[in-house]
Amino acid sequence: QVQLVQSGAEVKKPGASVKVSCKASGYTFTSYDINWVRQATGQGLEWMGWMNPNSGNTGYAQKFQGRVTMTRNTSISTAYMELSSLRSEDTAVYYCAREDGDSINWFDPWGQGTLVTVSS
Amino acid sequence: QSVLTQPPSASGTPGQRVTISCSGSSSNIGSNTVNWYQQLPGTAPKLLIYSNNQRPSGVPDRFSGSKSGTSASLAISGLQSEDEADYYCAAWDDSLNGSWVFGGGTKLTVL
Repeated sequence: QVQLVQSGAEVKKPGASVKVSCKASGYTFTSYDINWVRQATGQGLEWMGWMNPNSGNTGYAQKFQGRVTMTRNTSISTAYMELSSLRSEDTAVYYCAREDGDSINWFDPWGQGTLVTVSS
Repeated sequence: QSVLTQPPSASGTPGQRVTISCSGSSSNIGSNTVNWYQQLPGTAPKLLIYSNNQRPSGVPDRFSGSKSGTSASLAISGLQSEDEADYYCAAWDDSLNGSWVFGGGTKLTVL
């Protein structure tokens, strides 16, 4: 079955960087964009950006421009999201999600989430 | 402050029908389709409705979606206790360089 499995929880100090992985299985990794969405505790969903695993092309939400980098390793069907200059407000669960559809798109499935805690 | 506006909470008793609204603008809901996601406590979001009113396989037909102009709605009929969850609407927004936008989420309580 189509599945996205993310890396484990991370604890980082303010100013550091974090890199979260998202391993895809059950489909051709290069055929679907991967998006990243985060959720602070008790808060709603916030879109961070997308990556095309085939071309490596990316598009980032304005809020994260300059701080986020999305990459991939096609040989192991894994996408990565790196967020730098971490601050306490970046404490959240980070999800990857496959973007399905053609011109009309949606997110399915989602990874299980990775908790990133930023604390001194 | 979310780009799409949802009521923060909704409730109903078992068997009832409840609706959750999602209000946007011409750059998002007004020109693109709406998706709905269900997030059960402590779990990742799950696709519930896509392309305004389409149900993925496995989603009961108790769940339905609609869209009119710059607003959308999710309806749940025959409410069940396992429907207690957070519900989020989402749409692509054409403004600036384009982005996905979400509603703030609606917490559904089954009384």
